Amino acid sequence: GENVEQHPSTLSVQEGDSAVIKCTYSDSASNYFPWYKQELGKGPQLIIDIRSNVGEKKDQRIAVTLNKTAKHFSLHITETQPEDSAVYFCARQGYTGRRALTFGSGTRLQVQP
Amino acid sequence: DVKVTQSSRYLVKRTGEKVFLECVQDMDHENMFWYRQDPGLGLRLIYFSYDVKMKEKGDIPEGYSVSREKKERFSLILESASTNQTSMYLCASSQFSGIGSNEQFFGPGTRLTVL
Repeated sequence: GENVEQHPSTLSVQEGDSAVIKCTYSDSASNYFPWYKQELGKGPQLIIDIRSNVGEKKDQRIAVTLNKTAKHFSLHITETQPEDSAVYFCARQGYTGRRALTFGSGTRLQVQP
Repeated sequence: DVKVTQSSRYLVKRTGEKVFLECVQDMDHENMFWYRQDPGLGLRLIYFSYDVKMKEKGDIPEGYSVSREKKERFSLILESASTNQTSMYLCASSQFSGIGSNEQFFGPGTRLTVL
């Protein structure tokens, strides 16, 4: 179906280290993969997204990679900073079916100063 | 600056009460969504609407209904609140481009407690 599995559920890194969060999906019709960041007391906010015709996308310290064959995509954060501490959600949307995102279960990232 | 507002940040209701959660967006977006967020379960879609007076069920519509009488406003209704509806409720809106997807803008959430 349209499920998305996200791992790990919690991640603790030292400031300056890299963090990687992985998601897998099952629907071959998926063609859009955004990542959202939710800070404490706020709603999620889009930080980066990728479409199925692209294998990698970068924006400063964050990058997303997509492997369509294996049906997984990952968020990479380099040189982590304390302000990166938040809950991160991956999501997918297909070119068929409903106009809505299916979200993963979330990863709580803690960056230790 | 784009904005999605929700009527309450915190709400406490009793079992059996009818509950209204209001969401307003000022971006003239076609699409609006209601999610609930529970620890370990991520964001689960309750209902969404892609036009005024149009609605579609999401993954967990049972016990909820929605209303969209105006483009900017999308209401979530709990006809008879139950304790298992205690949760964080998030509203979002997006401008659907038709070529895949568009960014969803979220409100700050309403934490509902049903006693």
